[in-house]
Amino acid sequence: GAGVSQSPSNKVTEKGKDVELRCDPISGHTALYWYRQSLGQGLEFLIYFQGNSAPDKSGLPSDRFSAERTGGSVSTLTIQRTQQEDSAVYLCASSLGTLAYNEQFFGPGTRLTVL
Amino acid sequence: AQKITQTQPGMFVQEKEAVTLDCTYDTSDPSYGLFWYKQPSSGEMIFLIYQGSYDQQNATEGRYSLNFQKARKSANLVISASQLGDSAMYFCAMREYSSASKIIFGSGTRLSIRP
Repeated sequence: GAGVSQSPSNKVTEKGKDVELRCDPISGHTALYWYRQSLGQGLEFLIYFQGNSAPDKSGLPSDRFSAERTGGSVSTLTIQRTQQEDSAVYLCASSLGTLAYNEQFFGPGTRLTVL
Repeated sequence: AQKITQTQPGMFVQEKEAVTLDCTYDTSDPSYGLFWYKQPSSGEMIFLIYQGSYDQQNATEGRYSLNFQKARKSANLVISASQLGDSAMYFCAMREYSSASKIIFGSGTRLSIRP
């Protein structure tokens, strides 16, 4: 497909378990972003990749959160020892570049529920 | 520090009327971009319109226009001839050239169109 894809679309896990969320950006997009959206809230920036490097990790809420990107394409967001407050929709976006006018294209999100 | 403020948590509008969604922003960077996104109940983020800080004219995209008042740091979205399908959350967002790594989002406005 031509858009950003994310998997799984839904993930239910038990408190304390680790989870991995995957994002496939649009082909050719060098920039990739992860956001978190809690119920009824706006988007909270987590991390951004330019190529495979992450110049800005300022939004990661704790050291339980990490992300990597390989081959300048697929990215994985890992949450270790999940907590109930991690329950949210995790959105991935990609853009051609990081200029101010570069529009971000969003994936459908992964809804994470921590029981 | 960059900041986006949307003061209308919810709005009700009669079908076919025009509606204005408010957005104010704060930045010390003279170069920035402003975006509006629509998020229907299905959850995907849909890009609507972009305005650059140096653009001389207000941006327009079909029924969407952006009322950009730079001195007031205001970037209101105007939807003409509203339709039932316009019912959604609307987010205003900004990216500064100096920190082009991320887009900062407002808290959103929930727009409901009455038939």
